[in-house]
Amino acid sequence: GQNIDQPTEMTATEGAIVQINCTYQTSGFNGLFWYQQHAGEAPTFLSYNVLDGLEEKGRFSSFLSRSKGYSYLLLKELQMKDSASYLCAVLPNRDDKIIFGKGTRLHILP
Amino acid sequence: EAGVTQFPSHSVIEKGQTVTLRCDPISGHDNLYWYRRVMGKEIKFLLHFVKESKQDESGMPNNRFLAERTGGTYSTLKVQPAELEDSGVYFCASSPFGTDTQYFGPGTRLTVL
Repeated sequence: GQNIDQPTEMTATEGAIVQINCTYQTSGFNGLFWYQQHAGEAPTFLSYNVLDGLEEKGRFSSFLSRSKGYSYLLLKELQMKDSASYLCAVLPNRDDKIIFGKGTRLHILP
Repeated sequence: EAGVTQFPSHSVIEKGQTVTLRCDPISGHDNLYWYRRVMGKEIKFLLHFVKESKQDESGMPNNRFLAERTGGTYSTLKVQPAELEDSGVYFCASSPFGTDTQYFGPGTRLTVL
């Protein structure tokens, strides 16, 4: 079966660091996405990990361990605008459907 | 470059009525996907077009849903007749063939009363 787990909600303080974890079990694995989604808007692409390791992109970093079926999204120097849902998603095969987790709603406190 | 657009942004209809959702992918993207998110659940795949051909429609809930992509450009998703459980947000995504990243539209929020 296909299963992607991530925490439902998290709260962090402006200026701090937060790590959102994701574990997955899928029938295939081509890569893992993180999308950000503000309420009522389109999911926007944040990162895509194909190989193990950490990829850094500004304040956001994403880590993947294929052997453990595990990924995390690290957000540094949190800003109020980072309040959103963060979706962990797996692409089992190229040119195929994406399998999504339920998303983690991140609340940023001033 | 214009992103994926969807119309309408919101639709409220009564049970038994028909609704047609439209998606305009990014120009030149051969892959077009429809997804749906119902309340409290994850985004789930509905179907996948490559150009005008249906590549995978395994996620379509039942035969009340009909998707088309005539000419391989925009796509429509018709729900006829609509039922209460069809309420949710319908997303469209597109990507160039042979690439991985899918770009999402803002979604159509469908409410069936």
